[in-house]
Amino acid sequence: EAGVTQFPSHSVIEKGQTVTLRCDPISGHDNLYWYRRVMGKEIKFLLHFVKESKQDESGMPNNRFLAERTGGTYSTLKVQPAELEDSGVYFCASSPFENTEAFFGQGTRLTVV
Amino acid sequence: DQQVKQNSPSLSVQEGRISILNCDYTNSMFDYFLWYKKYPAEGPTFLISISSIKDKNEDGRFTVFLNKSAKHLSLHIVPSQPGDSAVYFCAARAWYSGGGADGLTFGKGTHLIIQP
Repeated sequence: EAGVTQFPSHSVIEKGQTVTLRCDPISGHDNLYWYRRVMGKEIKFLLHFVKESKQDESGMPNNRFLAERTGGTYSTLKVQPAELEDSGVYFCASSPFENTEAFFGQGTRLTVV
Repeated sequence: DQQVKQNSPSLSVQEGRISILNCDYTNSMFDYFLWYKKYPAEGPTFLISISSIKDKNEDGRFTVFLNKSAKHLSLHIVPSQPGDSAVYFCAARAWYSGGGADGLTFGKGTHLIIQP
């Protein structure tokens, strides 16, 4: 069974550009999470989908970040326009239920220059 | 304000000995705790978890202990093996009586180095 997959694995963009990250959760997992790790700091929660609905987006830094999960399958996280402080590793995770462990993808390393 | 703290950025242990990784938390709403292991350029991999109604959970070489009164948990690895060298993250989740859970709150991680 395929795990959580993220694309791209690495992205380098200029400040002001737009980037879209994609996450394919484990098939059948209703819960999908986005996290971010800025260098040297802890992994921080961004938001949580249950199927196609946003359950909790309290961790989203600002309105330059937009997450979608149309159809309740894969999810995208768009950053527009990107700023230098958006650099970091963005992780996606999924779980079948809210009260079970989440399985993480390999992450997308975003570098804004 | 960090709600989950791993105060040791790194830990070096000899192969075959016990590794003990520590984690402290401040949020009394946390009721589920997890340990994740992470290799470079990979995502965190789930290792073991414990519910707040328990004080110990064991899975092979890995045991997690929870002391609720001290708001402290620890991960014991015995015996330690070279493949255990990785960054270990402590994470916690709050479950609310009205239903639903927060996303995980992570510590900064402890880099465990197993020396031959």
